[in-house]
Amino acid sequence: DTAVSQTPKYLVTQMGNDKSIKCEQNLGHDTMYWYKQDSKKFLKIMFSYNNKELIINETVPNRFSPKSPDKAHLNLHINSLELGDSAVYFCASNHGPNTEAFFGQGTRLTVV
Amino acid sequence: KQEVTQIPAALSVPEGENLVLNCSFTDSAIYNLQWFRQDPGKGLTSLLLIQSSQREQTSGRLNASLDKSSGRSTLYIAASQPGDSATYLCAVYQGAQKLVFGQGTRLTINP
Repeated sequence: DTAVSQTPKYLVTQMGNDKSIKCEQNLGHDTMYWYKQDSKKFLKIMFSYNNKELIINETVPNRFSPKSPDKAHLNLHINSLELGDSAVYFCASNHGPNTEAFFGQGTRLTVV
Repeated sequence: KQEVTQIPAALSVPEGENLVLNCSFTDSAIYNLQWFRQDPGKGLTSLLLIQSSQREQTSGRLNASLDKSSGRSTLYIAASQPGDSATYLCAVYQGAQKLVFGQGTRLTINP
């Protein structure tokens, strides 16, 4: 019954590796997002997709590549992981502009 | 550039008290505003969405107000309970698609 689900919940990996985080929503929403919460707990948008099309790319390094195979899924692939990528990544979705956003439980990424 | 500030950063009150959490934003040209709670190690739970044309929104013991002209929102929690302990986040919709977050108020309700 989980509305927005992310996998994995925890991810520990070495510098230089490539990893993916998956997100799925069963709310029938058209828009999905990736947000990053840094060590100071500050949440900032990374990407927004509307019906599989990229709407927002908030000056995120090219090593981060979102992919939306359909409007219920938005995955995040990260190449050449760096120590500074360690954070909690949240997926979110809503019906569209300005509507109530629902968040997943987060993926805690630790790069060692 | 929109900046959202939440004061205080942390608040500790005894159970049963009514309390107010504050959120201010620098650019009054917002669309809507949403309040969330975040429990340790968990995701964000939506509490209330208040539309830019509204002044108030209520859900159970929670009441959120919005004053766009002064760039402020408050979240009022009535009859606080230990289960209300969490971090409360305020976020404004800037440019329709993008939520800009404050850094949160960490609330502790003491039994």
